[in-house]
Amino acid sequence: GAVVSQHPSRVICKSGTSVKIECRSLDFQATTMFWYRQFPKQSLMLMATSNEGSKATYEQGVEKDKFLINHASLTLSTLTVTSAHPEDSSFYICSASQGGHGYTFGSGTRLTVV
Amino acid sequence: AQSVTQPDIHITVSEGASLELRCNYSYGATPYLFWYVQSPGQGLQLLLKYFSGDTLVQGIKGFEAEFKRSQSSFNLRKPSVHWSDAAEYFCAVGAGQTGANNLFFGTGTRLTVIP
Repeated sequence: GAVVSQHPSRVICKSGTSVKIECRSLDFQATTMFWYRQFPKQSLMLMATSNEGSKATYEQGVEKDKFLINHASLTLSTLTVTSAHPEDSSFYICSASQGGHGYTFGSGTRLTVV
Repeated sequence: AQSVTQPDIHITVSEGASLELRCNYSYGATPYLFWYVQSPGQGLQLLLKYFSGDTLVQGIKGFEAEFKRSQSSFNLRKPSVHWSDAAEYFCAVGAGQTGANNLFFGTGTRLTVIP
């Protein structure tokens, strides 16, 4: 079945630094990937839609300069949290479209900014 | 606009008992409906999905869901719950199965299973 690999699973970084999270579709090509953020005990909130070869589409209220998304190939999208602050600490999850078969989610990344 | 409502924030059932998790959606066209399960600190695993056809959908781990258009519902059921089913369950609606549009998630229902 389709697999989406998300890396790293956990990361701790200092305030002011940047962190890159990778989302790879391992056995299928994904023209569209999605990045979600999940606060503790809450649902997933869509941050942005990542389209291969073009700029990402951000949801209202999401700072595009803070959450940089790059979808350089059909199997890789990256989310970079720039100048991270403690309030950016969260669980980030990516998903990739399998075309007519739905969506596959990565295992998530727990970001802690200290 | 799409929306998904999961009325039950937390449900506790005894192991071996039956389970039903409620999901109501609002969508202007034919919805594509999904149920996902999330264990603590993990990503989401697809339990089942409905795109078209038979309104009773079978999924993994013994789960099933029934699409009822008249009630705008897509409730998840399992006849006999196992302790390993304890997790967070999310209902989601998508605008299409091709992935051109994102999923809208409900707020989730946390399932606790007691011995």
